[in-house]
Amino acid sequence: QSVLTQPPSVSGTPGQRVTMSCSGGSSNIGSNPVNWYQHLPGTAPKLLIYSSNQRPSGVPDRFSGSKSDTSASLAISGLQSADEADYYCAAWDDSLNGYVFGTGTKVTVL
Amino acid sequence: EVQLVESGGGLVKPGGSLRLSCAASGFTLTSPFSHAWMSWVRQAPGKGLEWVGRLKSRLSGGTTDYAAPVKGRFSISRDDSKDTLYLQLNSLKTEDTAVYYCTWVAKEPSAMLSWGQGTLVTVSS
Repeated sequence: QSVLTQPPSVSGTPGQRVTMSCSGGSSNIGSNPVNWYQHLPGTAPKLLIYSSNQRPSGVPDRFSGSKSDTSASLAISGLQSADEADYYCAAWDDSLNGYVFGTGTKVTVL
Repeated sequence: EVQLVESGGGLVKPGGSLRLSCAASGFTLTSPFSHAWMSWVRQAPGKGLEWVGRLKSRLSGGTTDYAAPVKGRFSISRDDSKDTLYLQLNSLKTEDTAVYYCTWVAKEPSAMLSWGQGTLVTVSS
């Protein structure tokens, strides 16, 4: 059972802005940077956001991340059909001395 | 660009063992594989991503950390002369059935910069 909680699903129409949350605790999100990964079925996951709000080279600025206290969020603006995927937040947990992933959010483009 | 290719997956009986390999390429002279922190992540069928463990570079002490479900049964090692990472899986259980991914980890903020395509391990009698 993951210590980082995400909504199971979010949906939107093309062009819309969607957001998803990631709720944790003081030993993970409250103490360490949050990273976000995009996982399309049948492919390797991909780093989308690191250090809570930084985008790796090549990731469109439609994706943005933020963090406040023990929660984080990912926003996708200008939603596209190619954005249909599972999204996971993650952070190091000082109490567990391990890396923890969120429960995952499936994004559906209507 | 760093590329990671896993191999060694397959069908194994409960209680059995398996060794996975991850061949790395694309590291540079200034940032060689030997300096990289590496990890393994798995995804069971129909489930989310689960961190398995990590191995720091020799420069950083070469120590390992493992997730609670695999601690004492799985072991991560590396051969820097071959740019290869390994995951030794012992005392396998049916719940270890998953696709296993090899990843290159940034020390801070523990972000997984590159992922392999994964290799499937099925534990079944």
